[in-house]
Amino acid sequence: DTAVSQTPKYLVTQMGNDKSIKCEQNLGHDTMYWYKQDSKKFLKIMFSYNNKELIINETVPNRFSPKSPDKAHLNLHINSLELGDSAVYFCASSQEGGWGETQYFGPGTRLLVL
Amino acid sequence: DQQVKQNSPSLSVQEGRISILNCDYTNSMFDYFLWYKKYPAEGPTFLISISSIKDKNEDGRFTVFLNKSAKHLSLHIVPSQPGDSAVYFCAASGSGNTPLVFGKGTRLSVIA
Repeated sequence: DTAVSQTPKYLVTQMGNDKSIKCEQNLGHDTMYWYKQDSKKFLKIMFSYNNKELIINETVPNRFSPKSPDKAHLNLHINSLELGDSAVYFCASSQEGGWGETQYFGPGTRLLVL
Repeated sequence: DQQVKQNSPSLSVQEGRISILNCDYTNSMFDYFLWYKKYPAEGPTFLISISSIKDKNEDGRFTVFLNKSAKHLSLHIVPSQPGDSAVYFCAASGSGNTPLVFGKGTRLSVIA
């Protein structure tokens, strides 16, 4: 009974391709996030959405476009993939989006761009 | 510029002993601190937190200590168990709409 799920778990693709990663949470939370964990292991916020509305966009290239069809889903679409996009992408959610709140993370999507 | 630093990439501890994981931060506006634990091929899971009005918070075998003047916090696990072997991330946030900032993590190995 997964709380935050992501698909796919692994994604291997060529430079220049467009790909999407899907995220769903069944916790009834209002806020969802995308994080990137790069090769140096830093976990950095990319976006946050509250009730389908973009709240945080942390200087992410506009090749990355989040889409929130409803508050239980936050998908990440990446255009024109580059080698440097190779990383683990984590989706997370929290009740209301207050920054002291516990965030619940998905299992991650391991993206490798060749 | 790393606002949250975990200077020890790894730590090995004997089962039954105390594990101490350290974290330093530079932003004096941070007022809430969290520890997350991560197993391989899984996402981080929340472990314990502390707000800046406290200097200690305890939950079972886990205790977090905060020294605001030194901008330092630590996570104590006692007694350490093999199942505690994981990567531990320190994270911090300020008030308002500021994002959660994570450290690089410390890999704890508890040896039976």
